[in-house]
Amino acid sequence: GNSVTQMEGPVTLSEEAFLTINCTYTATGYPSLFWYVQYPGEGLQLLLKATKADDKGSNKGFEATYRKETTSFHLEKGSVQVSDSAVYFCALSDRGTNAGKSTFGDGTTLTVKP
Amino acid sequence: SAVISQKPSRDICQRGTSLTIQCQVDSQVTMMFWYRQQPGQSLTLIATANQGSEATYESGFVIDKFPISRPNLTFSTLTVSNMSPEDSSIYLCSVTNRAAYEQYFGPGTRLTVT
Repeated sequence: GNSVTQMEGPVTLSEEAFLTINCTYTATGYPSLFWYVQYPGEGLQLLLKATKADDKGSNKGFEATYRKETTSFHLEKGSVQVSDSAVYFCALSDRGTNAGKSTFGDGTTLTVKP
Repeated sequence: SAVISQKPSRDICQRGTSLTIQCQVDSQVTMMFWYRQQPGQSLTLIATANQGSEATYESGFVIDKFPISRPNLTFSTLTVSNMSPEDSSIYLCSVTNRAAYEQYFGPGTRLTVT
């Protein structure tokens, strides 16, 4: 079956530091890959996505590249802000019989200190 | 994108009782999903709710415990039956964008069982 493995947290950074959150996946087909963000007390929001190999998703200064050869989708940001403090979930969605269902990683809690 | 609302936003219930959670979407969608997010953990898919047919449950979840209704293409309910403290979680409704399989989530229902 499908699975997503995320870098364990929590992660604590100072403002303007570089962020990487690792994500690797296992899937039988060619999934779409996503990063979702959950701010304190809120629901999940889509942060960025990539639907095929070598695609780069980007949003709000965050980027992630779909690497089929390493089955990875690492999240990066060059300079984090306090407002980026949240839980980040890597996820994949299949295109086959499970189309529409998503498999989520365990989430990584990011805290950015001023 | 889709705008999803859930009711109630939170509730505190006594063990042995049942709670019905409502999910309303602002557009017609084929598939709706119910997830559970236990404290500090990732999302676990409970079931897929399709209009006009019975819900499809994931391993570990059964209809007697989590009955689901899907009377039309914009609405669904999830009932948590005969609750125990282990059912304390956030319950999330979501729908999918079939083009890229990204998901849109409701704000969640925070359930505490005492």
